[in-house]
Amino acid sequence: DAGVIQSPRHEVTEMGQEVTLRCKPISGHNSLFWYRQTMMRGLELLIYFNNNVPIDDSGMPEDRFSAKMPNASFSTLKIQPSEPRDSAVYFCASSRTSVIQETQYFGPGTRLLVL
Amino acid sequence: RKEVEQDPGPFNVPEGATVAFNCTYSNSASQSFFWYRQDCRKEPKLLMSVYSSGNEDGRFTAQLNRASQYISLLIRDSKLSDSATYLCVVSDRGSTLGRLYFGRGTQLTVWP
Repeated sequence: DAGVIQSPRHEVTEMGQEVTLRCKPISGHNSLFWYRQTMMRGLELLIYFNNNVPIDDSGMPEDRFSAKMPNASFSTLKIQPSEPRDSAVYFCASSRTSVIQETQYFGPGTRLLVL
Repeated sequence: RKEVEQDPGPFNVPEGATVAFNCTYSNSASQSFFWYRQDCRKEPKLLMSVYSSGNEDGRFTAQLNRASQYISLLIRDSKLSDSATYLCVVSDRGSTLGRLYFGRGTQLTVWP
């Protein structure tokens, strides 16, 4: 079975540009999570969806960040405009249900560098 | 204060050694606890859940002390393949629609 798929795997962009990260969760999973990982702050939850509905976006840093989940098989995280401090690895994860004990399966991540 | 605190290490141990990692969490309402493993430049993967009575999975033993808000992971007979970063993970509450908080990880290197 395919795991969580993320694209692109690497992104280098200049400050002020729009960045769109994409995620395809595991088929049949109804919860999807976006995380950001940096050396300084570790892994932080940005937002998560249950049945395509955003449940908790309190981790989204500011209005420059937005996330959508138009259907059960696709989600995007957009940064507009991007800033150097957004440089990080962005992970998407999915789980079969919203029960907290369910295993979250992570994608390979998108390494973002904003110059 | 972060929700989950871990000793970042690094821990450098020889093959066959026993090594223990600890973490503390700040939210006494936390109900679910996990250890995740992250290899260098890879994604985190669930290693094991942590149950109140403690639990074992092969060479790995996890313990929970709710009174002290403390979680531990013990690795016996370390293998080279155990080299990774171990993330302590805590939920904000039980049941559904909770969120997970990750520690920054403890780095382990097992040398031959």
